This record gives sequence, structure tokens and C-alpha cells, in this order.
Amino acid sequence: DTGVSQNPRHKITKRGQNVTFRCDPISEHNRLYWYRQTLGQGPEFLTYFQNEAQLEKSRLLSDRFSAERPKGSFSTLEIQRTEQGDSAMYLCASSLVLGGGAVGYTFGSGTRLTVV
Amino acid sequence: ILNVEQSPQSLHVQEGDSTNFTCSFPSSNFYALHWYRWETAKSPEALFVMTLNGDEKKKGRISATLNTKEGYSYLYIKGSQPEDSATYLCAFYNNAGNMLTFGGGTRLMVKP
Repeated sequence: DTGVSQNPRHKITKRGQNVTFRCDPISEHNRLYWYRQTLGQGPEFLTYFQNEAQLEKSRLLSDRFSAERPKGSFSTLEIQRTEQGDSAMYLCASSLVLGGGAVGYTFGSGTRLTVV
Repeated sequence: ILNVEQSPQSLHVQEGDSTNFTCSFPSSNFYALHWYRWETAKSPEALFVMTLNGDEKKKGRISATLNTKEGYSYLYIKGSQPEDSATYLCAFYNNAGNMLTFGGGTRLMVKP
């Protein structure tokens, strides 16, 4: 297992287009998280999955955003009708949580989205 | 809304200097405090997961302390090296939540 993999690394899109990012977590990990990071800010939580169930979504996640994790393996994050404000680094992380939250995340390298 | 604050936002030091940063977080309902190092063009890397008041953890020249009663953690780097240049993120986990809330990070630049 080579860690958490995210594709693509970079994406430039025109405003109004749809984009989809993919995250392949560590295979043994049951939780998968999506965060967004903009310049000068820390990562902001978007959503997370436990296995295939999406258990929580941030209010930051407008109805243009949708995430899936079919079969509890890889996850996709889709943004429809992109806006310039969507330009950010989208980070995926996974962890194995058997009880509480005292385990570290393993992050991917992120997908940097630029909306022009 | 959970507020996790980090200071300073950025820091320039000379090689060999020792330095420290602060992370403050809500002191109620504490569960865990995480530290990550994020180098440019790489993935954030977990440094420490701290759960107990008074905890002190060490990894090479980097160490961290935790005060859950007053809601702060310090990260120390002894004898900074250029390869320590990175953004250091702290993240808070409360016992009602299921995800980490991150601070804004401290960007450290170490000049040779």
C-alpha cells in the first residue's frame, strides 16, 4: 500500500464546468475525509465517510458539491458549475478508527483546483 | 463552531535557532490534539497525537506539550534546520465530534 493517492494533482477548469476528483485511501482504513484548504488558511472540513456511509457534511458543502464512496473503497468529490471561489487545494485523508478519535490521519498530496 | 488558533502565522529563523509555536483550542470536551507538518508539494505528515493533560511527546529535535485545562499546546523545534521549513498544523478533536478541526497553521522558514 503506497498511502493515500489523489488524482489529479492539478486541475484547471473554466467557471461553470463540472470537475471530479478521486481519492484512494489506505485499504485497511475505514474512515475517509475530504478537506479544503485555501491560501493562508488551515484545512476546512467538508465531509467524511465511515466505510461507504457518508456520516457528516459541513455547511461549507453547498448543493453543488457531492461526494461518494461506493463499496467503502475509493471516494470521488464532484463540484458542479464551478465558481472562482471553489479554487483551493482539496485534501483527502483516511484513518482507521475503531473507537475514539485519537488516531492520526494519513493525507494524500491533494488536488489543486484553479477555476478561471 | 470550534476555534483552533495558531500563532504566529509565520516565522523566519536562522539555522541553529530554537523556536516554538502555540496552538490554542477549546478546553471543554477535549479528546485529542494532533500536530502535522506540511512541506510544500507534499502531504501533511502526522507528528504527534496527544490526549493527556501534561503530555509531552518528542520526535528527534521536535517536541510538543499539552495543557488541556487551559486549552493550549506548544510545539518546540530545537536547533532548526532548513529541512524543518514547513507549515505546522495543529488540529483538535472533541469528544462530540468525528473529525479534526484544524488551526490556520504556522509557516516556518529556516534560513541556512
